[in-house]
Amino acid sequence: GAGVSQSPRYKVAKRGQDVALRCDPISGHVSLFWYQQALGQGPEFLTYFQNEAQLDKSGLPSDRFFAERPEGSVSTLKIQRTQQEDSAVYLCASSLDEQGHQPQHFGDGTRLSIL
Amino acid sequence: GDSVTQMEGPVTLSEEAFLTINCTYTATGYPSLFWYVQYPGEGLQLLLKATKADDKGSNKGFEATYRKETTSFHLEKGSVQVSDSAVYFCALSALRGSEKLVFGKGTKLTVNP
Repeated sequence: GAGVSQSPRYKVAKRGQDVALRCDPISGHVSLFWYQQALGQGPEFLTYFQNEAQLDKSGLPSDRFFAERPEGSVSTLKIQRTQQEDSAVYLCASSLDEQGHQPQHFGDGTRLSIL
Repeated sequence: GDSVTQMEGPVTLSEEAFLTINCTYTATGYPSLFWYVQYPGEGLQLLLKATKADDKGSNKGFEATYRKETTSFHLEKGSVQVSDSAVYFCALSALRGSEKLVFGKGTKLTVNP
């Protein structure tokens, strides 16, 4: 498909387990973003990549959260030792340029539930 | 820091009614402003945007004008349809080295036939 693809769509994990969420951006898109959306809230920024470089990780809530984009395409968001407060929808978005003039295209998200 | 405040929902309207969803923002400099829509079971989609003061974004009958003097970007539609039922998010991008979007909390709109 031509859109941003995220997998899995749903993930259930027990508290304390590690999880990995995957994002396939639109081909050729330079910028990639991760957001966290709690129930009934707007998305909140987690981290930003320009190609393979992680230029902004100011939104990551703790050192249990780690993101990478090693080849400047697919990105993985990893959460270690999950806690119940990590339950949320995790959204990935990509955009064509790095100047902010092009819109961000969002995936459908991964709904993470921590039991 | 940068922030977006939008009117709380839910909003329930009858078909063909006029819609306004208020959005105000706080940001240093000159941000770009956006409205995103999330239809039931779907991902966020860009509805419209404006990148400078007095710009009007429009799409699918929706409009919003970037008002710098009132720091607002209210969403309007003259005649809503049942298919417009969704959650609407106002957002800004400060464009200071990172294009990250700052979102409001969202407003759920339900349009009844």
